[in-house]
Amino acid sequence: GQNIDQPTEMTATEGAIVQINCTYQTSGFNGLFWYQQHAGEAPTFLSYNVLDGLEEKGRFSSFLSRSKGYSYLLLKELQMKDSASYLCAVRDRYGGATNKLIFGTGTLLAVQP
Amino acid sequence: SAVISQKPSRDICQRGTSLTIQCQVDSQVTMMFWYRQQPGQSLTLIATANQGSEATYESGFVIDKFPISRPNLTFSTLTVSNMSPEDSSIYLCSALWAGLLSSYNEQFFGPGTRLTVL
Repeated sequence: GQNIDQPTEMTATEGAIVQINCTYQTSGFNGLFWYQQHAGEAPTFLSYNVLDGLEEKGRFSSFLSRSKGYSYLLLKELQMKDSASYLCAVRDRYGGATNKLIFGTGTLLAVQP
Repeated sequence: SAVISQKPSRDICQRGTSLTIQCQVDSQVTMMFWYRQQPGQSLTLIATANQGSEATYESGFVIDKFPISRPNLTFSTLTVSNMSPEDSSIYLCSALWAGLLSSYNEQFFGPGTRLTVL
């Protein structure tokens, strides 16, 4: 079956670093996405990993280990505006009739002063 | 990134009626999708909108309830038919661009349509 797990909630302090983990078990794999979603808004694309390793993009980095079915999103120098839900999503197949993203339940991050 | 717009942004509907949601993308895209996000939950894929042919529906979703059209590469509609309060949700259009490298793709979401069924 398809299963993507993330912590439900996390709390961190402004200026700190936080790591949001995601583990997955899917029938196929062709990439893992991280999205940020503020309350009442659409998800915003943050990162895409398809090969093992770390992808860095400013204050945000994303890591992938395909053999372990594991990814994390690292947020540095946290700001209050980073308070949002962070969604991990796996693309289960490339090409063919579908190219769908399977989403985890999301991690609600609260950044405190 | 490209711009995805949806209409309407929100609506309140009566039980038994139908609502059609429109999605417009500002550039030609490889694939378009429709998702649903129920309150406090993550996104669930309803279907893949295929240009010029019937949509591909996920388990638990059927064409009679959620008819979808995609007449060209930049436009799609989702209809929520014979609505009930359980259909109250946010409906999101999503578009996928396939890059020159087969391993790299970007997928973006529209602003969503917030539907309340009374």
